[in-house]
Formats: sequence, C-alpha cells, structure tokens
Amino acid sequence: AQSVTQPDIHITVSEGASLELRCNYSYGATPYLFWYVQSPGQGLQLLLKYFSGDTLVQGIKGFEAEFKRSQSSFNLRKPSVHWSDAAEYFCAVALGTSYGKLTFGQGTILTVHP
Amino acid sequence: DADVTQTPRNRITKTGKRIMLECSQTKGHDRMYWYRQDPGLGLRLIYYSFDVKDINKGEISDGYSVSRQAQAKFSLSLESAIPNQTALYFCATSDYDEQYFGPGTRLTVT
Repeated sequence: AQSVTQPDIHITVSEGASLELRCNYSYGATPYLFWYVQSPGQGLQLLLKYFSGDTLVQGIKGFEAEFKRSQSSFNLRKPSVHWSDAAEYFCAVALGTSYGKLTFGQGTILTVHP
Repeated sequence: DADVTQTPRNRITKTGKRIMLECSQTKGHDRMYWYRQDPGLGLRLIYYSFDVKDINKGEISDGYSVSRQAQAKFSLSLESAIPNQTALYFCATSDYDEQYFGPGTRLTVT
C-alpha cells in the first residue's frame, strides 16, 4: 500500500540551530512531493514542492528539501531555526496523474527553545 | 479576504445529530477536497471533487456525504454524528500546482 512516513513525532531544537525533518514514502513510481506547515490554530501553508528536475528545492521561509530517489526520501531542512518556526510540519505526496489526492504523513511537531 | 473559507469554525454537537460543514473558495478552481485531521494521523482525505459533476470517495468516506453546489461551494455532511468523528476538518481547493487550505472547522461530537 502507498504510504508516507514521518518518523519523528516531536522534535525540539534551540533557536539558531539547524533542522532536518525526515519524510519517507512508499510508492511504485516517483510521486509529486510537498511539505506543508501548520501553525497553531491555522490552516496549512505550502512550504515547497518537488515535481521533477533539480532534486534540491528551495521554499519559503528559508526552508529547502532534497529528494533522494534511492532512499525514497524528501527531507526538509533549515540551516538556522527561528522561534517563529515552531509549528507542525507535514510531508505529503500525490501521484502525478491524480495530483489532487494528497496522502499526508503523520506530522512532526517542532518546538523551538530560546 | 481569505481564498478558502469554512463555516462554522467551531461546532459542538450531540451524538445522532445531522451536521453540515460548508466551504467556499474564490480561487476559481474546479477541484475541491475535504480532509480530517486527527492527532498523530496527519490529514486523511474524506471526499474530493474534480468538477461540479464529479464526486469521489476518499480514504475515509464512511459516515460522511458531500454536495458540490457550485464550482465555489463544497459541503460536507455528517448524517448522524458519532463521537469518533470529533476532529479538525479542512477544506481545500487546487489547480494543477498547489492545494490551498481553509482555516479548518473544529468539530466536537459529545
């Protein structure tokens, strides 16, 4: 069955530290890949997406993600975390021919210590 | 004004009651979706619609129904609410490039 796994339920980092959130998927083909962020009490905002081409993609708010086909991974990174990055982060995938049907990972809650 | 609006934002209802959650979008997109979010489970797709005449079941459609009244409106109904339908519900709309989410409706079934 197709699935998306975010192995880390909760991550805590200090402000200014680097961040990496993991995402692994299980699909028969390379899916379209997304990272969303949900701030407390808010809806979801798209951080970045990968459809094809350069495997390192840049997003908003200083985030980037790297697609690694051999590892079926799409990890999200940020070199220096700000307190305002505290939120829940979701990895999501969609098959290209049915783009709209997103499958989400379980989410990773990020806490930022001052 | 927000591109995707949901009403109500919060609702408490009793077991067995019928309830409707409404979604409107001003993006002009044909595609609309309903998801529910539960802690530790992420978002799961309930129903989706690729145009006004196209309605499809998602991963967890049992106990739910939908109506696509117009391109801009997509409603989710719980015919007889039960406590395990307590969740945060999101509506979304998309073009071929990105999904845009509403602010969510927090539903509590007692």
